[in-house]
Amino acid sequence: AQKITQTQPGMFVQEKEAVTLDCTYDTSDQSYGLFWYKQPSSGEMIFLIYQGSYDEQNATEGRYSLNFQKARKSANLVISASQLGDSAMYFCAGWRGQGAQKLVFGQGTRLTINP
Amino acid sequence: KAGVTQTPRYLIKTRGQQVTLSCSPISGHRSVSWYQQTPGQGLQFLFEYFSETQRNKGNFPGRFSGRQFSNSRSEMNVSTLELGDSALYLCASSEGPKNSPLHFGNGTRLTVT
Repeated sequence: AQKITQTQPGMFVQEKEAVTLDCTYDTSDQSYGLFWYKQPSSGEMIFLIYQGSYDEQNATEGRYSLNFQKARKSANLVISASQLGDSAMYFCAGWRGQGAQKLVFGQGTRLTINP
Repeated sequence: KAGVTQTPRYLIKTRGQQVTLSCSPISGHRSVSWYQQTPGQGLQFLFEYFSETQRNKGNFPGRFSGRQFSNSRSEMNVSTLELGDSALYLCASSEGPKNSPLHFGNGTRLTVT
C-alpha cells in the first residue's frame, strides 16, 4: 500500500520566484509512480508531471520539474518563475499498489502567488 | 481531443433521494475511475472500470455503484443520499498502462440537503 504525505498546508510566494512543494511517499513496491496534479478553484484536476521509480532522470515539463530522491522517498515539485495563474491546490499522488489502477492522494498544498 | 466530460456540473438533492452522475472519457481511453473529494477526507478512490468491468473498488458502502458502457462512458449512482455524500465527484480516464496519467474532468458538485 502507498501513503502520500504533503506537510505544507499552504504556501505564499512572490511572483517570478521559484517554489518547491514537498511530497514524501511510503511504499514497499519496487516499481511505482508518482504524479503531481494542480486543482484551480474551478475544481478540475490538471495533470502536471509524472515520475517513475525506474526513471534515471528527474522528470521535467516546462516550468515544472520533479526533485526525486529515492533514498529519502521524496518527490518534490519545483515550479520555476512562478506566475499568478499558478495559484491553486497542488496534489501529490501515487498508485495504491502493484497492478492497482487507483491513485492515493496527499492532503494537498494551497499555493498562493502574490504580485 | 476533447477532454473528460462530466455532467451535470452541479446537483442539489435531498436526503433519501438517489442521483446518477455521468462521465465521458477521452476518446480511446478504456479505463474510467471515480473519486470523491471532501474537505475532511480529501480525495478518495471510489471505483475503476475497464472494458465494462469493475476492476477496483474503494471502501465505500454499497449505496455507491457504477457501470461502464461499451463506448467507455461511465455512470455513477448513489442511492439513499446522506448529508455526508455532499462532495465534488471527479471522474478520470486513462489509456490503461500503470504509468499513464489519469486525466480528470471538471467534476460534479453534489449538495445533499
